Amino acid sequence: GAVVSQHPSRVICKSGTSVKIECRSLDFQATTMFWYRQFPKQSLMLMATSNEGSKATYEQGVEKDKFLINHASLTLSTLTVTSAHPEDSSFYICSVLGLSPYEQYFGPGTRLTVT
Amino acid sequence: QQQVKQSPQSLIVQKGGISIINCAYENTAFDYFPWYQQFPGKGPALLIAIRPDVSEKKEGRFTISFNKSAKQFSLHIMDSQPGDSATYFCAAVDYNQGGKLIFGQGTELSVKP
Repeated sequence: GAVVSQHPSRVICKSGTSVKIECRSLDFQATTMFWYRQFPKQSLMLMATSNEGSKATYEQGVEKDKFLINHASLTLSTLTVTSAHPEDSSFYICSVLGLSPYEQYFGPGTRLTVT
Repeated sequence: QQQVKQSPQSLIVQKGGISIINCAYENTAFDYFPWYQQFPGKGPALLIAIRPDVSEKKEGRFTISFNKSAKQFSLHIMDSQPGDSATYFCAAVDYNQGGKLIFGQGTELSVKP
């Protein structure tokens, strides 16, 4: 399967600032990537589908102006949390869609803490 | 209709025992059912998966049982080991939804030595 990395693994930022999280597909050209958010002791919630060269598709209830997604190349998608607030503190995980809709490979996650 | 319901929320099993986690779904369009294992602070990793035309799939100590008529599936971990202690998520995929995973709520498994 595809090898997926995320950077940074942990980030602490002050309330009101923006933070960018990178998701890289190291050995596979990914047309589609997904971004998830996971709160402690909870399941993964899909935030958006990131398609290379086009606008991301956001799930209902996810603010597109707050969570900016850019998928400018087949190996990199970025999630920018704008004007972060403490309630945005969470574990953000990206995944890469493989050759079929049934193959999805996850990154190691990024722990965001907003103080 | 998009939900996947998972139980139990937590599970404690003695080493060598059998761990059983259950999931149920409503959407008959789902056509792929993977299980993921997640350790604290890590991303989930695919453990085993099944398609609805198969009633059982076994890989090592892990077995999925699938009941299409009841719209239920379960994960059995045989000879459970302390290293299996993790959170397990069932999920479902509808091919026509472009690979979107619908996750269950998760089960935190603790295997006691």
